Amino acid sequence: KAGVTQTPRYLIKTRGQQVTLSCSPISGHRSVSWYQQTPGQGLQFLFEYFSETQRNKGNFPGRFSGRQFSNSRSEMNVSTLELGDSALYLCASSLDGQNTEAFFGQGTRLTVV
Amino acid sequence: GENVEQHPSTLSVQEGDSAVIKCTYSDSASNYFPWYKQELGKRPQLIIDIRSNVGEKKDQRIAVTLNKTAKHFSLHITETQPEDSAVYFCAAPEYGGSQGNLIFGKGTKLSVKP
Repeated sequence: KAGVTQTPRYLIKTRGQQVTLSCSPISGHRSVSWYQQTPGQGLQFLFEYFSETQRNKGNFPGRFSGRQFSNSRSEMNVSTLELGDSALYLCASSLDGQNTEAFFGQGTRLTVV
Repeated sequence: GENVEQHPSTLSVQEGDSAVIKCTYSDSASNYFPWYKQELGKRPQLIIDIRSNVGEKKDQRIAVTLNKTAKHFSLHITETQPEDSAVYFCAAPEYGGSQGNLIFGKGTKLSVKP
């Protein structure tokens, strides 16, 4: 079956703009988590969605938001972009998110200039 | 929430040697511990995981051990090969796995010199 798909793969935005990233999970997976990856900081948890509900949220400012649709596809939005938001954004899907394998997408590389 | 510490941050070994990466976690309710490998420019991929009802699990040259009392788990790679060079991440579920996200260690960059 198809893997986790993230679009777009690359984005360049200007400070102050907003951006929306998309994640299509593996068919049948209902949990989608988002992570920010920067050099030296590893994978930092942003939020997790299950059945269209945000179950958990990491320690990021309110400029970072997300949602999940009825087909389990998820989007994350970052408003008022800052230079420090430049990172690789990864989403991961799993069946139900409870101690089951998480499969990652290829990520979206966001550069804020 | 969960907190995962990973050491070392970098590890360099000669081809054929063994490599060990260690992680500690804080939440005693955690019961699932995956390890991910991320090659340069690629997505993280699960290489092995262990659940709290076992103390050790092996898959060819890779093994993971778990000590629930001490709240630490380790990845062991034997007979390392250049293709093992990558960043390795350990993880543990937050809130005992009741929600879907994992908390990751900061990663170990493993370099295997031929």
